Formats: sequence, C-alpha cells, structure tokens
Amino acid sequence: ETGVTQTPRHLVMGMTNKKSLKCEQHLGHNAMYWYKQSAKKPLELMFVYNFKEQTENNSVPSRFSPECPNSSHLFLHLHTLQPEDSALYLCASSRGQEAFFGQGTRLTVV
Amino acid sequence: DAKTTQPNSMESNEEEPVHLPCNHSTISGTDYIHWYRQLPSQGPEYVIHGLTSNVNNRMASLAIAEDRKSSTLILHRATLRDAAVYYCILRDRDSGAGSYQLTFGKGTKLSVIP
Repeated sequence: ETGVTQTPRHLVMGMTNKKSLKCEQHLGHNAMYWYKQSAKKPLELMFVYNFKEQTENNSVPSRFSPECPNSSHLFLHLHTLQPEDSALYLCASSRGQEAFFGQGTRLTVV
Repeated sequence: DAKTTQPNSMESNEEEPVHLPCNHSTISGTDYIHWYRQLPSQGPEYVIHGLTSNVNNRMASLAIAEDRKSSTLILHRATLRDAAVYYCILRDRDSGAGSYQLTFGKGTKLSVIP
C-alpha cells in the first residue's frame, strides 16, 4: 500500500464512450503524474501537475484530458479513445527524491 | 535525461545475493541514480537512490563506481517476492523544479528460482 489510490482498477470502454480515471493521495505531496504503460513498451510520462498547475504535457493526444482540482486528487478524462490506447495507466505523486505509484487502471478499449 | 543500459533479464536462486548492473557512461555531475522495481500487476516502487557514495537501506544496497559510469543494485538475499522488473534511472538534480519526473527504460526482469 503506497498511499496512492487509483479507481477503477479495471475498465473496458467502447470507442465512443466517455470515462474518467481517478487518483487520490493524502500523503501531502504537491506533485502528481499520469504515466502510461503499454504492452512491451517502457512507462511513458503523460502529464505532470505541481501545486495543481499542469507543468508538463508530453505531446499527449487531446482525447486524454487531465484535471487536478486540488493537490490530493487527479483525474484523467477519456473520450473517443482508440484500441491502441489500451494500456495500464499509472498515477504517481512525489515529494523529494521519491515517487509513489498507485496500482494502476487497466484500460481496454473495444 | 542521460541513458542507462541494463541486461534484459537475470536469474537468481532464492536466498542468494543478487547483483543487478546498470551502465550510464554519459552520466552528468548532477544526475542522481535511482532504482525502482515493478512487481507483476503493480505500479513501480522506489528502491533506493544515490549520487556518489554507496547507499544502504532496508530493501537493498547501491554500489556506485568511482567514475559514476556504472552502478550495481544489490539485493542481499533474494526472496520470491523480489521477482520483478528493476529499473535504473538517472534524474538530474536540477530538473523539474518542484516535481520529480522519471524516464523509464525497459529494465531488468529478475526471476527468482525457489
């Protein structure tokens, strides 16, 4: 248990659906992140939030829309996804020289 | 971020020490060496980090070469729970003020044989 909680753990959605992934931490960390882990590929950083402000967007398509309403919560809104977007989506938070990851949401787009 | 090179896979017998190597010949003076591991069906987990001196914690030891172009993560006594993918990552001390971005490679998949 890392203190970073992601829901849901598994999600199956159609290409025309809209869904949201949620991440929550009560560790007092001010930085939060979304990573994507596709099969056979290294983890890729998607978005970085620092004190609720987005500081990094690694050329992520607009069908992925992050939201950070406060330092404890991070969302990833999904719409009109493609089958190749199927992956493990990981949230992390950090303070100092250590990041804490959630267990991820396994997303399948059909 | 500077690049690291790790073997794709390694095997170890249970209860024996494991030495996981990492080469980072282009490391800069401000790069910290971080190690994370990812157990099956879980997110990555912090293991240890260091700059120049060897480091020990409850999980592992990190041995850093004098020229800092390589490092070794040492698990003193492998257990079945240590079977995971181990990532060696360089992170510039001065990058991403206030945040902590990590660039993951493919890592080393460690198998532990009972």
